[in-house]
Amino acid sequence: EIVLTQSPGTLSLSPGETVTLSCRASQSVASSFLAWYQQNPGQAPRLLIYGASTRATGIPDRFSGGGSGTDFTLTINRLEPGDFAVYYCQHYDGSRPTFGGGTKLKIK
Amino acid sequence: QVQLVQSGAEMKRPGASVKVSCKASGYTFNTYDINWVRQAPGQGLEWMGWMNPNNGNTRFAQKFKGRVTMTRDISISTAYMELSSLTSADTALYYCARGGFHHDSSGYSNLVGWFDPWGQGTLVTVSS
Repeated sequence: EIVLTQSPGTLSLSPGETVTLSCRASQSVASSFLAWYQQNPGQAPRLLIYGASTRATGIPDRFSGGGSGTDFTLTINRLEPGDFAVYYCQHYDGSRPTFGGGTKLKIK
Repeated sequence: QVQLVQSGAEMKRPGASVKVSCKASGYTFNTYDINWVRQAPGQGLEWMGWMNPNNGNTRFAQKFKGRVTMTRDISISTAYMELSSLTSADTALYYCARGGFHHDSSGYSNLVGWFDPWGQGTLVTVSS
């Protein structure tokens, strides 16, 4: 079973800053099976990135995904108020989907 | 647009069962798996299982085997998740989400390793 570890658990930043979130897999995974989601308070998760680096429809280019093997990142440029949310990475290669524990972005 | 709309909040007693519905619109219902994911209060996302609406095949997380059933009614583009023998630990938001595998008309299934969109969530509260 692949375990996804996200770090840090919580980050405090200011609007306008840039942040990079980390997602580490317990073993090497194919980039095509790695996705990122954003969850705002009281809302369902929203797909941001799939295939490790492809933005979903309607996602601004301030969001970018990267990485390979066991280490993946989500970078958000010029943080806006709506970006302060919880971010989850997910892996699914057809066997059993797994989610990371999430990283919460808080306004400093 | 592609949309999943779930049934309303439920309050159940310990030991009871709950059945949550997820109505799809904006796409051909039987062409994508429906997954169910739950989120306990203040916690992360936990995958429960998926169902192939095309043939009704299912796969469940080990934790829920024997307690969860996933079905569908293709005529009304609706998926259902039923969880039995509820305890307070089952108090959570339950989400349906489209994704996993895409099934085309020739019977070929292609892995779509992400979930999009998600339903709005159904709060299930288990309390005596």
